[in-house]
Amino acid sequence: QVQLVQSGSELKKPGASVKVSCKASGYSFTSYAMNWVRQAPGQGLEWMGWINTNTGNPMYAQGFTGRFVFSLDISASTAYLEISSLEAEDSAVYYCTRKYCAGDSCELDPWGQGTLVTVSS
Amino acid sequence: LPVLTQPPSASALPGASIKLTCTLSREHSTYTIEWYQQRPGRSPQYIMKLKSDGSHSKGDGIPDRFMGSSSGADRYLTLSNLQPDDEAEYHCAESHTIDGQVGYVFGSGTKVTVL
Repeated sequence: QVQLVQSGSELKKPGASVKVSCKASGYSFTSYAMNWVRQAPGQGLEWMGWINTNTGNPMYAQGFTGRFVFSLDISASTAYLEISSLEAEDSAVYYCTRKYCAGDSCELDPWGQGTLVTVSS
Repeated sequence: LPVLTQPPSASALPGASIKLTCTLSREHSTYTIEWYQQRPGRSPQYIMKLKSDGSHSKGDGIPDRFMGSSSGADRYLTLSNLQPDDEAEYHCAESHTIDGQVGYVFGSGTKVTVL
């Protein structure tokens, strides 16, 4: 079945970097864009941007430029989110989610299980 | 960019119906939205796409008692015959293209409690 499996929880110190992986299975990886969504503790969902899995071209939402990098390993059907110069405010659950399109209708489906990133000294 | 407004919470007894609201900013009142369910400790799950005319298409496995409707800038998700398993956060979202760039906006979510 179609699924996205993310890497495990991370505990990092301020200023460090973290790289979250999202491995896709059950479908053609390059057929659909991969989106990233952040959820801070007790907060709503915040769209971070997406990466074109054909070209590797990323697009970042406002507030997620500079320290956030989306990348791919197409041979491994895996998308990555790397965050550098971590701050306490980066502590959140990060989700990858496929943008599934059929005709002109698209939705975010499925979602990975989420990766908790905790930034603490 | 569109703004999606959701009340923070709602509650009802098992077996009752509950109507959740997602209000689009006035200038975006004709936009299509999506509803997502997020059970406690779980990742979000796609429920449905809902157009301004009230027509909607649901994701696989979404029960018939989940219904969508629209009125003006308001988009509704009605859960009938409420079950304990329906206790979750419900998020609305809107996908748009501005200057050729695709983006998503989420509402703040409504936490549903089954009393």
